[in-house]
Amino acid sequence: DGGITQSPKYLFRKEGQNVTLSCEQNLNHDAMYWYRQDPGQGLRLIYYSQIVNDFQKGDIAEGYSVSREKKESFPLTVTSAQKNPTAFYLCASSINRGTEAFFGQGTRLTVV
Amino acid sequence: ELKVEQNPLFLSMQEGKNYTIYCNYSTTSDRLYWYRQDPGKSLESLFVLLSNGAVKQEGRLMASLDTKARLSTLHITAAVHDLSATYFCAGGPGANSKLTFGKGITLSVRP
Repeated sequence: DGGITQSPKYLFRKEGQNVTLSCEQNLNHDAMYWYRQDPGQGLRLIYYSQIVNDFQKGDIAEGYSVSREKKESFPLTVTSAQKNPTAFYLCASSINRGTEAFFGQGTRLTVV
Repeated sequence: ELKVEQNPLFLSMQEGKNYTIYCNYSTTSDRLYWYRQDPGKSLESLFVLLSNGAVKQEGRLMASLDTKARLSTLHITAAVHDLSATYFCAGGPGANSKLTFGKGITLSVRP
């Protein structure tokens, strides 16, 4: 089945730690995105990538980093510089930028 | 920069009645998407509207797009409990632009 897989579903981070969220898609989509969702809020764009080895900052990129070494994979690292990382993180992909986005099941990150 | 506004942000609906929710956007958007999110879950694509006057229907939901008014509506016919969720709209000003999401409208259907 084609789709987007995010892992883990739940992640706990200690203060000062970096953690990496995984996102893999087998839809052969060029564009991939990371969004953050806080309780009762909409989606805010962290980073996006339109093609392998290229990515751009979104609206709230500070404290996050990404890589796009393979078309299928777009991991997100939440660094210790992100002071308030507790949130629901959603990865999405689309055929190209601006077209219909399909979402993974999300990773809920909590700082302990 | 495109801004997307949804209203109301919360709507309590009575079972069996009809309702309409709105998505306004600030600048030209040649595409408009509606998504559904259940509590604690991810977003599920509902409708893709790509041209002025586009109308799509799925079950009790019907979405339409008026690009001149910069408005998309989602009409709910005879609301049922299963429709309780948060509905997001998203638009993009051009073919290769990023999507901008509204804050979402949470619908709650009561007996």
